[in-house]
Amino acid sequence: GAVVSQHPSRVICKSGTSVKIECRSLDFQATTMFWYRQFPKKSLMLMATSNEGSKATYEQGVEKDKFLINHASLTLSTLTVTSAHPEDSSFYICSASVLAGSDTQYFGPGTRLTVL
Amino acid sequence: AQSVTQLDSQVPVFEEAPVELRCNYSSSVSVYLFWYVQYPNQGLQLLLKYLSGSTLVKGINGFEAEFNKSQTSFHLRKPSVHISDTAEYFCAVSTASGSRLTFGEGTQLTVNP
Repeated sequence: GAVVSQHPSRVICKSGTSVKIECRSLDFQATTMFWYRQFPKKSLMLMATSNEGSKATYEQGVEKDKFLINHASLTLSTLTVTSAHPEDSSFYICSASVLAGSDTQYFGPGTRLTVL
Repeated sequence: AQSVTQLDSQVPVFEEAPVELRCNYSSSVSVYLFWYVQYPNQGLQLLLKYLSGSTLVKGINGFEAEFNKSQTSFHLRKPSVHISDTAEYFCAVSTASGSRLTFGEGTQLTVNP
């Protein structure tokens, strides 16, 4: 149980285009989803927290107009990287928790974004 | 605010040897503690967690960790490692009031034959 999927697993795009990454909880309803960014050989950096039906809460330094997050249902959250640039290239990972304030997050397999 | 320090960025060991991956944290409130494992180009998998109760926590794949409040540590141990344990290991902390995770920098465990 508690499986989280991400799509696509990897994407290559041209500079200036927008890319959408989906995060789905397959066998549970996720009240809260998290989006992380991971640079090579580095730890995970929390970008934003999203609760179903409300606006995402972004971490300091993360541009909300650049990284659009939508949590339209209890099983789906999307991250759209708008007008992507090479510096946006990274590994993006989502996670989901069952209950607000729950102690455990379940992580997706990640999406490798490469911007040319 | 919380912080996590993983004292070793890389730990090379031989197969069947014991291993300890060190983790220290700081927080002004009570915390939950986690260890996650990440294989190349994959997401994170939960190894074990400490919420309350017994300070010795057993997880998957033969790993265990001990919560030491006085030393603010949560070191991960395995008595005998396998080649397949080669991966990046992350220690993380969250507060009891929510699930926002703060991660350490990670420790690359490499098991050599």
